[in-house]
Amino acid sequence: QITLKESGPTLVKPTQTLTLTCTISGFSLNTNGVGVGWIRQPPGKALEWLALIYWNDDQRYSPSLKTRLTITKDPSKNQVVLTMTYMDPVDTATYYCAYRTDNDAFEMWGQGTLVTVSS
Amino acid sequence: SSELTQDPALSVALGQTLRITCQGDSLRNYYTYWYQQRPGQAPALVLFGNNNRPSGVPDRFSGSRSGDTTSLTITGAQAEDEADYYCGSRDSSGYFYVFGPGTTVTIL
Repeated sequence: QITLKESGPTLVKPTQTLTLTCTISGFSLNTNGVGVGWIRQPPGKALEWLALIYWNDDQRYSPSLKTRLTITKDPSKNQVVLTMTYMDPVDTATYYCAYRTDNDAFEMWGQGTLVTVSS
Repeated sequence: SSELTQDPALSVALGQTLRITCQGDSLRNYYTYWYQQRPGQAPALVLFGNNNRPSGVPDRFSGSRSGDTTSLTITGAQAEDEADYYCGSRDSSGYFYVFGPGTTVTIL
């Protein structure tokens, strides 16, 4: 059974750096074709893709947020970490991590974690 | 702004057929993925690739494509199908992922 779970702070101050961890089970981050992505959703708004890391460590970032994002993985811990710098209130959102298969779809999602940016 | 466009909201009577569309240039070259998001829940994949359904997704969900527009059809809509539906795909370069703005479906 594949599961993903996001963890991290629920509240960050403006200009701070956000660090979110996605802990996975049921698959390996080293399996050919596998990827883990991060997607966010501001309250009442649409999904926005942020970043993806592939099994071979190839990293992709949303062009609009590229300068603020870093995605890494630690297969030994079954974790994928996303950092986002210079947080702003407009970054308030539920952040999801999701399992990308070689079908290129996000086939399984975590429950999401709500991050509020406020002073 | 999204490279994919969707109708903001649609409604259908219980048991009737509903088609949700997604339009974008990249859809001519890349598959569309459809995600269902019920209130308060995480998105869930309902359609991927060439009209494939993940295990557990009812066969009333199907997909099609014509040019730059793809469709998710619900044949015989049920009350539990009331949700937001997002299309997703690659951007025109194929390098990034994009999501549509979502369609809110109401079952009457």
